[in-house]
Order: sequence, then structure tokens, then C-alpha cells
Amino acid sequence: GENVEQHPSTLSVQEGDSAVIKCTYSDSASNYFPWYKQELGKRPQLIIDIRSNVGEKKDQRIAVTLNKTAKHFSLHITETQPEDSAVYFCAASRYNDMRFGAGTRLTVKP
Amino acid sequence: SAVISQKPSRDICQRGTSLTIQCQVDSQVTMMFWYRQQPGQSLTLIATANQGSEATYESGFVIDKFPISRPNLTFSTLTVSNMSPEDSSIYLCSVEGPSDRLNTEAFFGQGTRLTVV
Repeated sequence: GENVEQHPSTLSVQEGDSAVIKCTYSDSASNYFPWYKQELGKRPQLIIDIRSNVGEKKDQRIAVTLNKTAKHFSLHITETQPEDSAVYFCAASRYNDMRFGAGTRLTVKP
Repeated sequence: SAVISQKPSRDICQRGTSLTIQCQVDSQVTMMFWYRQQPGQSLTLIATANQGSEATYESGFVIDKFPISRPNLTFSTLTVSNMSPEDSSIYLCSVEGPSDRLNTEAFFGQGTRLTVV
């Protein structure tokens, strides 16, 4: 089955700096790669996603890149703000079978 | 998008008892998923529930411990049976996008925080 690895497990940045979280997946048939943000005590919510026919996608301060050959994808957050502090999960999915990475706890220091 | 109502939001239970968690979706979905999230940990898939068939369980999870019902396309229940303190966790139900599309984002219920004493 699919195995998703996520790094780093914790990340601390200064407000205004960029944050990068990286994930690798094992199943070459995976074709959908969402990223979720989970604030303390709340449910995970989608922040951005990318499909396997696209190499990069951007939404304001958030971008995701996908390298299908290397089977890795990354989340980039620019101009970080304290409200970006949360746990971020990457996931890889094929045919509605979604597997999650272990999560990255991002702390943005003001 | 899908709106999911999950209840109870939290419960404290005695060991040896069972708790049934309910998940109601505001639209018809083919597949519903049940996850467990230990404090500070990732989301571990327990099982996939399809309407009209038995749930499919992931390695390490069995039907006797986590029986699931899926009576229609908008509702599912997960029961945590014969609970022990190791079952203390957050349990989340999830659905993916419209039934006519594959591989869409997952929507989550608000979770059930279970404490077994």
C-alpha cells in the first residue's frame, strides 16, 4: 500500500520568513496530493491540492510542487504569519484511497 | 463541499463498555472513512465504509473491535467495543467529494474525543 513520509516533524520560523514542508510517496499510481491544515482542537481542512498532471500550483502565499519522477511533493508558505501556526498534513491518494503523512507542527514566531 | 455532523464531540467511558459514534453528511457520498488520531499524531485510517457492503478494515483493525454500519449514503456509525485506556483517542469520520468524481479532497467531521478510564 501507499506510504507517505513527511519532513520535518516540527518547524519554527520567524514571521515573514518562508516555510517548506516535504513529502514523499511510494505508490506511483497515486495521482492526487492534498495538503491539510489542522489547528489545535479542530478538524483538518484542505488548504491546497495538486493532481499528477500538474507540476506546480499556487494560491496566494501557498504553493505546492510535485515531482512525479522522484515521487515527492512540497508545500511552500511565503510571508508566514502567526495564524499559519498549525499542524500540516500531506496526503497521497489513488482511487479515493487517501494516506496521510505524519504531520508537521509549524510555529510562526512574531 | 460536504458538511459533516459527528457526535458525540467527546465522551468519557468506563473500560469494558462500548461507544457508538455517529456521522451524518448533508449529501450522498459513496465512501465514508473512519480515522483515529492519537494526540499529536497523524490520521490513521481504521476502515472504509461503503453503503450496502461490509466495511473494509486496515491492518491492525478488526470488525469485532470496531464494527461499522452504513445504512444509507448519508450516514455511518463506528462503534468502539470493549474499550480499554489504549482506545483513548480522537476519532474522525471523513468523506470525499461528489460521488461522481474520483480523488477529491476529504472533508472531516469535527471529531470525537474519547477518554477511557
